Amino acid sequence: GAVVSQHPSRVICKSGTSVKIECRSLDFQATTMFWYRQFPKKSLMLMATSNEGSKATYEQGVEKDKFLINHASLTLSTLTVTSAHPEDSSFYICSAISGTGNYEQYFGPGTRLTVT
Amino acid sequence: AQKITQTQPGMFVQEKEAVTLDCTYDTSDQSYGLFWYKQPSSGEMIFLIYQGSYDEQNATEGRYSLNFQKARKSANLVISASQLGDSAMYFCAMRERLYNFNKFYFGSGTKLNVKP
Repeated sequence: GAVVSQHPSRVICKSGTSVKIECRSLDFQATTMFWYRQFPKKSLMLMATSNEGSKATYEQGVEKDKFLINHASLTLSTLTVTSAHPEDSSFYICSAISGTGNYEQYFGPGTRLTVT
Repeated sequence: AQKITQTQPGMFVQEKEAVTLDCTYDTSDQSYGLFWYKQPSSGEMIFLIYQGSYDEQNATEGRYSLNFQKARKSANLVISASQLGDSAMYFCAMRERLYNFNKFYFGSGTKLNVKP
């Protein structure tokens, strides 16, 4: 199946700093990428939908100035958590769809963010 | 109303037995897709099976089958011959098409424990 990579897999940062997470589709062109946040033992919460070459669409309640999303190419989307705080600590997962077939989502392995 | 409902927060099954994980969905679209994902403790989301709303036959993928009952709006996952490695969280998801964009909804998940 299609492969989506995510980097870094784990990151620890200090409160007030910014962290960038990369999501890459390795063997297909992703017309759309999604960013999710998952709290322990909870479901995935969609944060935003990222379409190549256009601004991301954020879900209600997600601060666009805090969670900056850039989808500059068909294989790369980045999520930057700006001025991170401990409450931003979470598991962030990206996914990508190719826009053909069943529109199946291919998920990255996730990034565990810990803000101290 | 919730788009995807998984009513079983946790399930136990004996190894080699079959188990059914429930999922009901809510949509007014005629064209939609239903997915099941497995999330082991490592965190990655693993695609298991897909059912399109127009597919007349139930989808099957190895030991996984999807019991699709369109009139009842249910899409239960059946795992046959459970294995210890099947212990994980299982998420049901639905794709709708909204203003030419794909929108995905996830259920709250079911934690499956396979007992030896």
